[in-house]
Amino acid sequence: DGGITQSPKYLFRKEGQNVTLSCEQNLNHDAMYWYRQDPGQGLRLIYYSQIVNDFQKGDIAEGYSVSREKKESFPLTVTSAQKNPTAFYLCASGSQRTSTDTQYFGPGTRLTVL
Amino acid sequence: KQEVTQIPAALSVPEGENLVLNCSFTDSAIYNLQWFRQDPGKGLTSLLLIQSSQREQTSGRLNASLDKSSGRSTLYIAASQPGDSATYLCAVTTGGFKTIFGAGTRLFVKA
Repeated sequence: DGGITQSPKYLFRKEGQNVTLSCEQNLNHDAMYWYRQDPGQGLRLIYYSQIVNDFQKGDIAEGYSVSREKKESFPLTVTSAQKNPTAFYLCASGSQRTSTDTQYFGPGTRLTVL
Repeated sequence: KQEVTQIPAALSVPEGENLVLNCSFTDSAIYNLQWFRQDPGKGLTSLLLIQSSQREQTSGRLNASLDKSSGRSTLYIAASQPGDSATYLCAVTTGGFKTIFGAGTRLFVKA
């Protein structure tokens, strides 16, 4: 059963804590993305990776970090430096080889700061 | 800087009505435009993708058009059903395969 999985579905963070969101895909896609979604706003790009062991900052990378050690996995760490982390986080993957390639999204992780 | 705007932000219609959702973008240099559906608390599902050289795409009761020169796209939903209730997001992909999303239109179809 191919697709993208994200875990956990819900995550609670205390002040000063780092937390890591998991994203795994078995679609054999080269590119993977992390987006943040806030109420009433579109998705904003945090980080993206087009190949293993390489990634680039998106529009709102401050306070976040990623790694891409395997093609299938792209975990996102929300550090204590991110002052307003409460949001819905979406991971996506895609082939990104032609203009007909779309992105496939995971079910999301809702992060809440206590 | 590419910006994507969707109007209206929310829409409520009776079942069976035909409706149009609007999307505008500021830079016509795009690879493609996509319409996604998002159910509450869930991820996005791609509905239609229009390449920059195309004018429209159709899938079942959905038809999306693209006018690149004016920076506009519309999503037409025919004979709306309660199951169509969701948020619809428009997104454009630009150089470097970067995708910029609109804030979405929240649709409610009343039975």
